[in-house]
Amino acid sequence: EVQLVQSGAEVKKPGESLKISCQGSGYIFSNSWITWVRQLPGKGLEWMGRIDPSDSYTNYSPSFQGHVTMSTDKSISTAYLQWTALKASDTAIYYCAKNAVDGSGNYFLDSWGQGTVVTVSS
Amino acid sequence: SSELTQDPTVSVALGQTVTITCQGDALEKYYASWYQQKPGQAPVLVLYGKTNRPAGSPDRFSGSRSGNTAFLTISGAQAEDEADYYCNCRDSSGSPPVYDFGPGTKVFVL
Repeated sequence: EVQLVQSGAEVKKPGESLKISCQGSGYIFSNSWITWVRQLPGKGLEWMGRIDPSDSYTNYSPSFQGHVTMSTDKSISTAYLQWTALKASDTAIYYCAKNAVDGSGNYFLDSWGQGTVVTVSS
Repeated sequence: SSELTQDPTVSVALGQTVTITCQGDALEKYYASWYQQKPGQAPVLVLYGKTNRPAGSPDRFSGSRSGNTAFLTISGAQAEDEADYYCNCRDSSGSPPVYDFGPGTKVFVL
């Protein structure tokens, strides 16, 4: 069974750094991109970007480029999302999701982590 | 902001059929994938490609596309289908690709 297990909730102060994780199991981690998705309180889903665990190539949404960094450690089947200086506006739920592509080249997110709640408040 | 648009809410009587729409230029070229999200839960894939359902997605979910609009149809809506539904599709411009989500449609089952 494919599973993505994310790290627990975080409460941070503005300006602090943070790294959250997403560990995959039940599949070959290096074979599937990982996408990160943000959900602001009471709002919709936002595609942040994705990373290829096989070579750490990243592909960010322009809205998030320069604000977050995605990385992976394929030796432990784990993807990371990190901030160097959090803002109150980063308060959200962050989901990781496993990418898949069907035989016709259609991209989709076939398994999701449970989400990590990040609260940034002074 | 999203380049995909969705109706904010739709309602359907129990057992009836409802269609959720997702509009955007990219949909003329690429298929959308669809995700269901219930309160307090992570999103779940319900449809992808032309009209492919992942394992576990009920066969009352189906999809289609016409021009720049993708459709998710729930035939015989059940109470458990009450949720937010999001479409997701590649941005039609540029490389590397960016994948937008629509703003979501809240489905009420009456």
